[in-house]
Amino acid sequence: VQLVQSGAEVKTPGDSMKVSCRASGYTFTDNYIHWVRQAPGQGLQWMGWINPNGGGTNCAQNFQGRVTMTRDTSITTAYMELRSLRSDDTAVYYCTRAAGGSSFDPWGQGTLLTVSS
Amino acid sequence: QSALTQPASVSGSPGQSITISCTGTSSDVGGYNYVSWYQQHPGKVPKLMIYDVSTRPSGVSNRFSGSKSGNTASLSISGLQAEDEADYYCTSFTSANTYVFGTGTRVTVL
Repeated sequence: VQLVQSGAEVKTPGDSMKVSCRASGYTFTDNYIHWVRQAPGQGLQWMGWINPNGGGTNCAQNFQGRVTMTRDTSITTAYMELRSLRSDDTAVYYCTRAAGGSSFDPWGQGTLLTVSS
Repeated sequence: QSALTQPASVSGSPGQSITISCTGTSSDVGGYNYVSWYQQHPGKVPKLMIYDVSTRPSGVSNRFSGSKSGNTASLSISGLQAEDEADYYCTSFTSANTYVFGTGTRVTVL
């Protein structure tokens, strides 16, 4: 089971960014995908989840209106788009699979987003 | 949703036992047996250590154990080893069908 994310990005405040997370080694539609971010030197912050089976989503209140999670089952890939970027969105963004119960496993390798003018 | 509260740091000598607490509310930790714990070494990806309060995934040392009482979950590490030095995060399912992470705890092996 493996999750492989897209590469690092540099954006300007106000831009949007879209991270991809390609899943392999299991049936993509059997498990939710969650998105988590970690600002430099800070803790983990849960952002939201998508159910690849049907596309239903839910996200943390902090991100409502600014984040969109989608998936393409034909290529077993989940996406997370964050809009109206600010400097404090600079972070490593992770995707992770809900593996049963409360477990998140495995995790993608992380995608570094830098927002700077 | 506020982050779950963890101590900023916990330390112990090799061979000792330590416990990390994770305090939430009845809408998250106290309301569900959906608490998990992650270990993160510097610059590395988080690793699942415990899920569903006390279940240890295959491959994780039995020196790690989890429990919960009321609104507080705990991760215990026995026989502390140098390799256990890392950051540890709890997370819980919430009544809003979301998840929330703890503030994180730095474990130092003296």
